[in-house]
Amino acid sequence: QKEVEQDPGPLSVPEGAIVSLNCTYSNSAFQYFMWYRQYSRKGPELLMYTYSSGNKEDGRFTAQVDKSSKYISLFIRDSQPSDSATYLCAMMSIIQGAQKLVFGQGTRLTINP
Amino acid sequence: ETGVTQTPRHLVMGMTNKKSLKCEQHLGHNAMYWYKQSAKKPLELMFVYSLEERVENNSVPSRFSPECPNSSHLFLHLHTLQPEDSALYLCASSQENRNTEAFFGQGTRLTVV
Repeated sequence: QKEVEQDPGPLSVPEGAIVSLNCTYSNSAFQYFMWYRQYSRKGPELLMYTYSSGNKEDGRFTAQVDKSSKYISLFIRDSQPSDSATYLCAMMSIIQGAQKLVFGQGTRLTINP
Repeated sequence: ETGVTQTPRHLVMGMTNKKSLKCEQHLGHNAMYWYKQSAKKPLELMFVYSLEERVENNSVPSRFSPECPNSSHLFLHLHTLQPEDSALYLCASSQENRNTEAFFGQGTRLTVV
């Protein structure tokens, strides 16, 4: 079983739609939960991170964590064509002070004008 | 520009060649990482350096050899690679013992022929 499972998509939605992206994980040792966005030919950039169950909102983005179900989600409201990218969930544990990130496969998202 | 610079951006090498990938971070971080991103696979952590000491080697073949001469620079030395090693190699950095963002470089696209 993979430590982190993410539906690779692709996912295509019209502009303005609400997008829901999800990941499940199996390792209870993960302490932090992150969403990265990766544009073509670029490195991943952090969108949101959280460490507790519940919701965290930042503009049009909401991250949701349910530790009891080992399930995390990212919601994008009022989606824009510029949101088209690959979205990667990542789970983090700390080893000797450094971050160990385990990524999902990434979901390729396209927002159609 | 994320503050993490990788060179070269693209590299084509034969299976008998020796080459090195370079990463430099300008963020004052003291932990650095190498990740491998292959098509249709999750980002995989390869090596972790914290305070210039290797703290994680994720079962990576010996044909990949990392070097961290100081907290700002990280190298990945390559020799006798296989075609299946073709991938995007990403460097990242973070601040040790702080649960802050890991910044990624734009990656080196490696093709082994």
